[in-house]
Amino acid sequence: GDSVTQMEGPVTLSEEAFLTINCTYTATGYPSLFWYVQYPGEGLQLLLKATKADDKGSNKGFEATYRKETTSFHLEKGSVQVSDSAVYFCALMYSGGGADGLTFGKGTHLIIQP
Amino acid sequence: DAGVIQSPRHEVTEMGQEVTLRCKPISGHDYLFWYRQTMMRGLELLIYFNNNVPIDDSGMPEDRFSAKMPNASFSTLKIQPSEPRDSAVYFCASSLYVAGWRFNEQFFGPGTRLTVL
Repeated sequence: GDSVTQMEGPVTLSEEAFLTINCTYTATGYPSLFWYVQYPGEGLQLLLKATKADDKGSNKGFEATYRKETTSFHLEKGSVQVSDSAVYFCALMYSGGGADGLTFGKGTHLIIQP
Repeated sequence: DAGVIQSPRHEVTEMGQEVTLRCKPISGHDYLFWYRQTMMRGLELLIYFNNNVPIDDSGMPEDRFSAKMPNASFSTLKIQPSEPRDSAVYFCASSLYVAGWRFNEQFFGPGTRLTVL
């Protein structure tokens, strides 16, 4: 079946450091790919998305490119802030003809130190 | 906009008791999802509804779990009897299907943290 694999962390960085969180997927078709963020005590929020190969999703300084050849969707940010501390989830979903549930990775806990 | 509302936010119960979790989706949304989050298994889809009808319940772990959606603005997830291994955070999410869109964003509630002693 479909699956998502991401580094679990915790990942600890200093403020203004460069961030990469790796995500790879296994899928039988051509899913849409997402990054969600979960702040402490809150539900998940959509951070960015890409719906087809070579699409780049971006939001709040974060970027990820849908790489079909490497089945990857790595999350990057050039300069992280303390407020970026959260758990980040990579996910995939098929959307043809309606809506389906998301398949998530296990999440990466990111800690940014001042 | 109130977003997805879940209640209670925290629930502590004893093994064998019945637990009912509640969700109010965003008004006008036609899909509703229940997810469970644990340290061991991460986030898993349990069941989802379209226009109040269950579409896929293959993620429901066993017969002790049941979910209903009696109307467009309310859904419940019930566990009877509860067991310690059911301890988790349960999320509800809703979305609106738009014809022709490849992606329909799911909006998540804050979750219910369930502890079964």
